[in-house]
Amino acid sequence: DVKVTQSSRYLVKRTGEKVFLECVQDMDHENMFWYRQDPGLGLRLIYFSYDVKMKEKGDIPEGYSVSREKKERFSLILESASTNQTSMYLCASSLAGSEQFFGPGTRLTVL
Amino acid sequence: RKEVEQDPGPFNVPEGATVAFNCTYSNSASQSFFWYRQDCRKEPKLLMSVYSSGNEDGRFTAQLNRASQYISLLIRDSKLSDSATYLCVVNTGDKLVFGAGTILRVKS
Repeated sequence: DVKVTQSSRYLVKRTGEKVFLECVQDMDHENMFWYRQDPGLGLRLIYFSYDVKMKEKGDIPEGYSVSREKKERFSLILESASTNQTSMYLCASSLAGSEQFFGPGTRLTVL
Repeated sequence: RKEVEQDPGPFNVPEGATVAFNCTYSNSASQSFFWYRQDCRKEPKLLMSVYSSGNEDGRFTAQLNRASQYISLLIRDSKLSDSATYLCVVNTGDKLVFGAGTILRVKS
């Protein structure tokens, strides 16, 4: 079974803090993705990566950065958290052109 | 206009009912199509892919109409366990685009 894990299920941070969200997959997938999910807006793609040390901007990259130093790990970084970044963050991985498998999500609240 | 549009619902149906969801997409170059299911406070999971010829998986039938750019999902003999949010997903070539989802509530 594919397993995608995320470092935290729930996280509470203060405005201006630097936030790291970690994602690890154990199926040797090339592709990894970070989404945020908000009511009425669906999943929106923040960043994705097709290979180690490679990253591409998604639809809403502003205020975020990513790091992929190893194939199995894809980190999302909020350089200076703001209240409008309160959301559910979902990581996913896939083989090229194949189904995406999601992690359980991290519900981030920024106060 | 959103790239993928769905009726948010909720659809409230009794057990045993047949229910259908539609989804429209704007990018005519979209290559592949999927329905994902998301339970409350859980991650999305693939329910089924959608093929041009239509495909069926048990009580679930998916249809694609490329000319009209819409996708449908039909659920027959609804079960309580079908209650979830159903996400329409379109592969535009370089990424997946998710609809906001349609909520289904099956009641006994």
